[in-house]
Amino acid sequence: DSGVTQTPKHLITATGQRVTLRCSPRSGDLSVYWYQQSLDQGLQFLIQYYNGEERAKGNILERFSAQQFPDLHSELNLSSLELGDSALYFCASSVATGAPYEQYFGPGTRLTVT
Amino acid sequence: ILNVEQSPQSLHVQEGDSTNFTCSFPSSNFYALHWYRWETAKSPEALFVMTLNGDEKKKGRISATLNTKEGYSYLYIKGSQPEDSATYLCAFRDNYGQNFVFGPGTRLSVLP
Repeated sequence: DSGVTQTPKHLITATGQRVTLRCSPRSGDLSVYWYQQSLDQGLQFLIQYYNGEERAKGNILERFSAQQFPDLHSELNLSSLELGDSALYFCASSVATGAPYEQYFGPGTRLTVT
Repeated sequence: ILNVEQSPQSLHVQEGDSTNFTCSFPSSNFYALHWYRWETAKSPEALFVMTLNGDEKKKGRISATLNTKEGYSYLYIKGSQPEDSATYLCAFRDNYGQNFVFGPGTRLSVLP
């Protein structure tokens, strides 16, 4: 158990809908990262927040957005969902930002868009 | 577009064998190289974060080396055990946008 929690574990929704995925980092970790694992694309970095502010951006679609709240939990919002958004979404956290810090991954949220 | 490659794609070894695999990444704008171990139905687990050219890191029977000038890292497993069976991922972090780019992974199967 990494100490990172993600809810919900599974989510099934229809095309065009909007969903919110939630992540609570390990106690004391200030940085949160979001990743997408889809069947055909491997693990893709979406976005990183550090202490409430966006720190780095990867291949995140405009339909997706994220934020980190004062209590350091983070939410990933996915809107106008398409079939291709079906994937496993991981959140990870680290103590701070920058190179030497290991990331601890949560169990993931599996999103199925029908 | 940043490209990170890993070889081999998959590997089958006998228990007790030592093995190694390669991660190739861009040699410019290097910031860090991460290695992860990912077992089926679990989450990726951090093994190493490497930042300096010539870095060598070790954790038990697993070790890694880094060459940022030529853009490669090796992961070594000494005396493989069945519990080492997993996919080993590397991720390159660039100095420009701080983006992470993952390789496709090397799937290791250790046969008892």
